[in-house]
Amino acid sequence: SYVLTQPPSVSVAPGKTARITCGGNNIGSKSVHWYQQKSGQVPVVVVYYDSDRPSGIPERFSGSNSGNTATLTISRVEAEDEADYYCQVWDSNSGVVFGGGTKLTVL
Amino acid sequence: QVQLQQSGPGLVKPSETLSLTCTVSGGSIGSYYWSWIRQPPGKGLEWIGYIYYSGSTTYNPSLKRRVTLSVDTSKNQLSLKLNSVTAADTAMYYCARGTYYGDTDSWGQGTLVAVSS
Repeated sequence: SYVLTQPPSVSVAPGKTARITCGGNNIGSKSVHWYQQKSGQVPVVVVYYDSDRPSGIPERFSGSNSGNTATLTISRVEAEDEADYYCQVWDSNSGVVFGGGTKLTVL
Repeated sequence: QVQLQQSGPGLVKPSETLSLTCTVSGGSIGSYYWSWIRQPPGKGLEWIGYIYYSGSTTYNPSLKRRVTLSVDTSKNQLSLKLNSVTAADTAMYYCARGTYYGDTDSWGQGTLVAVSS
């Protein structure tokens, strides 16, 4: 089965840049979607198809994907960005696969 | 604006079948892939499977032998059945609208299902 690996936690000071990685075998050949889940809420897509942003998502959220690592970058981090973030891909053998999630803490 | 309203029991006994329904309003079921996703308390997201409006299904290999997804286009309803449940199936269960590649744009409110005698 296809496995996506995320760091359990990332911490960042307000106004700085947070980078959350998602590792997978040749993930660069797949489309990666990123979800934000705030405490007690339903997940929301913040980046899809590697680097596209749904309407309503701030430009501070961006994504990249190459080789064995996809990255979600959050610029000028704000307190409201504190949440769990999940990467997700589709794999021909496993179907839809989620990473284990990364808890972003804004210091 | 599409809305997904979930319904079903919040408590299921071990070895029995978990059954949930997701009713879609404000939009058609057609041309979308409808996923079921679960999240055990304090843990991450796990995809259960999805169903296309035509009835074609794809399941998570780890759950495939216990899961059945169905769609009733006349009622704009989706259904999840998970049989032979154990405590490990205790989770928040979500339905979601999306594409073949799993990205989603609308989610139900979630149903917390506990498996306990």
